[in-house]
Amino acid sequence: QKEVEQNSGPLSVPEGAIASLNCTYSDRGSQSFFWYRQYSGKSPELIMFIYSNGDKEDGRFTAQLNKASQYVSLLIRDSQPSDSATYLCAVNTYGNNRLAFGKGNQVVVIP
Amino acid sequence: NAGVMQNPRHLVRRRGQEARLRCSPMKGHSHVYWYRQLPEEGLKFMVYLQKENIIDESGMPKERFSAEFPKEGPSILRIQQVVRGDSAAYFCASSRAGDIQYFGAGTRLSVL
Repeated sequence: QKEVEQNSGPLSVPEGAIASLNCTYSDRGSQSFFWYRQYSGKSPELIMFIYSNGDKEDGRFTAQLNKASQYVSLLIRDSQPSDSATYLCAVNTYGNNRLAFGKGNQVVVIP
Repeated sequence: NAGVMQNPRHLVRRRGQEARLRCSPMKGHSHVYWYRQLPEEGLKFMVYLQKENIIDESGMPKERFSAEFPKEGPSILRIQQVVRGDSAAYFCASSRAGDIQYFGAGTRLSVL
């Protein structure tokens, strides 16, 4: 079982719609959860982090965490063409500072 | 307020040569991490260092790869006797207290 899984294929959304991305993780000891955005040929850019169960909102982005289900998601409201990128889910287990990444979900926002 | 600085941005080596990748963390950050991203694959952890100490090298290949973070100067990821399979993007990240990691622009290594 992979540490962090992002199973959805490329996601195409019309401009202005909501993009929804999901991620599951295997280690119940995981404490910190991150979403990074990566444009093609560029480096990962932190967009959200969440530590507690529930929702966390920052501008057009909302991260949702459910530790019982080992599930973290990212919602992008009012999607813009500039949101077209690959979104990486990352998990940091307590006492272990390394990040485990999923393979990423590509989002394409269609004008 | 400079971010994580990596150089070179692009590095071309022939098989058998050595590659040295450098990383200077963000100001005020003392934790450095190296990750590798192979084409069409996710980011994979390689090594975690603090000044003069390797904290976790569980992701480093057993041979040819080494890393250091000296008291003065940048962190160095060294790959000896490179092979074509080493061609990848190598990213460095830094954090203040071992939690939120910020990434540098990366070094794209091409092995001919």
